[in-house]
Amino acid sequence: SQQGEEDPQALSIQEGENATMNCSYKTSINNLQWYRQNSGRGLVHLILIRSNEREKHSGRLRVTLDTSKKSSSLLITASRAADTASYFCATDAGGNKLVFGAGTILRVKS
Amino acid sequence: GAVVSQHPSWVICKSGTSVKIECRSLDFQATTMFWYRQFPKQSLMLMATSNEGSKATYEQGVEKDKFLINHASLTLSTLTVTSAHPEDSSFYICSARVEGAYNEQFFGPGTRLTVL
Repeated sequence: SQQGEEDPQALSIQEGENATMNCSYKTSINNLQWYRQNSGRGLVHLILIRSNEREKHSGRLRVTLDTSKKSSSLLITASRAADTASYFCATDAGGNKLVFGAGTILRVKS
Repeated sequence: GAVVSQHPSWVICKSGTSVKIECRSLDFQATTMFWYRQFPKQSLMLMATSNEGSKATYEQGVEKDKFLINHASLTLSTLTVTSAHPEDSSFYICSARVEGAYNEQFFGPGTRLTVL
């Protein structure tokens, strides 16, 4: 069963605005990863943050991790129409498995 | 690097037939691959972990006799949906794990299966 929950379920913003997506999970983790999925396509790995890290940046992406609250956030700054996609968090609690959250559908309007 | 391919990208079949989906790691070796299933507008659900040279490990509720997995080499895993039914119609995605890299998984582009 999925252990992650994401909010919002859907987000619609204007190009240039920032988009923030949140992910909560239930058990202790080794790391948390964010993926993007364009409609009907496979997943693209965006960023991995380890359990001993609190913040990580990659280009326009900023990820935070709060292990005390069992939550993570993904911030996309200066969004573009091409950022329109579904975004999933996935937790690695050991055992080689990733457990995916429900996902956030992001729509960036130009 | 770390490219994973799937074949076919889409398939339509009649109820009762079997369908084989291939997952290949193109530029790295993967002792562990994963098969996921995704229904429209939903998240990925792990079906099974495919281990090279040994039996796959299935998640609870996944019928191993219906979803046959073979991981015969370090670059190829196959998923065979046997006696497919319309309720098996879904998007099947595989991933391959990069060894020693914090369980970072690289995903294939997915296979859309439609069973008539």
